Amino acid sequence: NAGVMQNPRHLVRRRGQEARLRCSPMKGHSHVYWYRQLPEEGLKFMVYLQKENIIDESGMPKERFSAEFPKEGPSILRIQQVVRGDSAAYFCASSRDSGAGGDTQYFGPGTRLTVL
Amino acid sequence: QKEVEQNSGPLSVPEGAIASLNCTYSDRGSQSFFWYRQYSGKSPELIMFIYSNGDKEDGRFTAQLNKASQYVSLLIRDSQPSDSATYLCAGALGGGADGLTFGKGTHLIIQP
Repeated sequence: NAGVMQNPRHLVRRRGQEARLRCSPMKGHSHVYWYRQLPEEGLKFMVYLQKENIIDESGMPKERFSAEFPKEGPSILRIQQVVRGDSAAYFCASSRDSGAGGDTQYFGPGTRLTVL
Repeated sequence: QKEVEQNSGPLSVPEGAIASLNCTYSDRGSQSFFWYRQYSGKSPELIMFIYSNGDKEDGRFTAQLNKASQYVSLLIRDSQPSDSATYLCAGALGGGADGLTFGKGTHLIIQP
């Protein structure tokens, strides 16, 4: 089953540490999206990437957060100097090429980040 | 500011009845809409998508879109206890190849 893969599934960090979240899109998908879901909140779009390009990062906090999708390997969401407010579920989604008919996004299992 | 609004519920429906979930959106430029189901502690699972005005049926699910009223709905026929979950409505501009704007979700409870 070549679904969207994310790892780790659970990540615990202490305040001030770095968190790296990885996402491998579905086979044949070249678009990757990152979302954050805070407790009791809805999903919030963070960033949209294609291979080697950030297409839209309008939902990404300006500081401490960065994302990449290299030519080889998974997409990485990186959070530097984590704070307790970063504790959330981070979901990655992927889609095939854009085009007429829309571009359905399929979600991975998520990474639950806990900041102590 | 793009917004998608949903009633958070909980919406309680007896088993076998029709569950009706509603969603409104603020951005008239939104072209495509998606319904996802999310069980507690799990990731969103795509139920249906709709781009054109009118109804779209898939098994027990029917999505309805009214662009003039900026309204999207999801009907679940013959509701089952396994349908109990949070249902997320999401909208996208253009063809959907950008970030989705999600509502906060409606918590649906199917009572046996």
